Amino acid sequence: DVKVTQSSRYLVKRTGEKVFLECVQDMDHENMFWYRQDPGLGLRLIYFSYDVKMKEKGDIPEGYSVSREKKERFSLILESASTNQTSMYLCASSFSDSSGNTIYFGEGSWLTVV
Amino acid sequence: AQTVTQSQPEMSVQEAETVTLSCTYDTSESDYYLFWYKQPPSRQMILVIRQEAYKQQNATENRFSVNFQKAAKSFSLKISDSQLGDAAMYFCAYNRRAGNMLTFGGGTRLMVKP
Repeated sequence: DVKVTQSSRYLVKRTGEKVFLECVQDMDHENMFWYRQDPGLGLRLIYFSYDVKMKEKGDIPEGYSVSREKKERFSLILESASTNQTSMYLCASSFSDSSGNTIYFGEGSWLTVV
Repeated sequence: AQTVTQSQPEMSVQEAETVTLSCTYDTSESDYYLFWYKQPPSRQMILVIRQEAYKQQNATENRFSVNFQKAAKSFSLKISDSQLGDAAMYFCAYNRRAGNMLTFGGGTRLMVKP
């Protein structure tokens, strides 16, 4: 089975802190994604990576950055956390050979910024 | 830009009955993919069903089927013989053929009454 693992399920951070959310997948997928999930807004794409060291901005990249140094690992970074970044963050991965391929999600990371 | 709209924030169904969740989308593309994802309380998103836009036949997966109306840009999900385990958030999603980034609707919370 495909496994997408997010290292932290629940985090509480202070305003202004630097926050790292880590994601690892074990299926040798080329594509990895970070989404943010908020009630009524569904999932919104923050960043997308299609290869090591490659990234593209999604719909809401402001206040976030990403790092992909190894194929299996995709990190989301909040340089200076703010209360409006309190949310559920979902990592996902997929193969790149067809846009119709299934995208696999991790269990999510609940981040609270106080 | 593509948008996906789920007009029903919440739905409820009696166990063993049938329920239909609505989804409309907006795109100028002619070739794309549509998906329904399920997110149970455990939070891991799982793929329920997918539809390729160039296929006229509606996709079916066991108790789950879709009504794909390309001209109307409508993609509804029908769940037959509803079970308690079907209770979850359901997200409709769009993926254009040339890329690999999903655009999600706001979600519909489905409650199943015993």
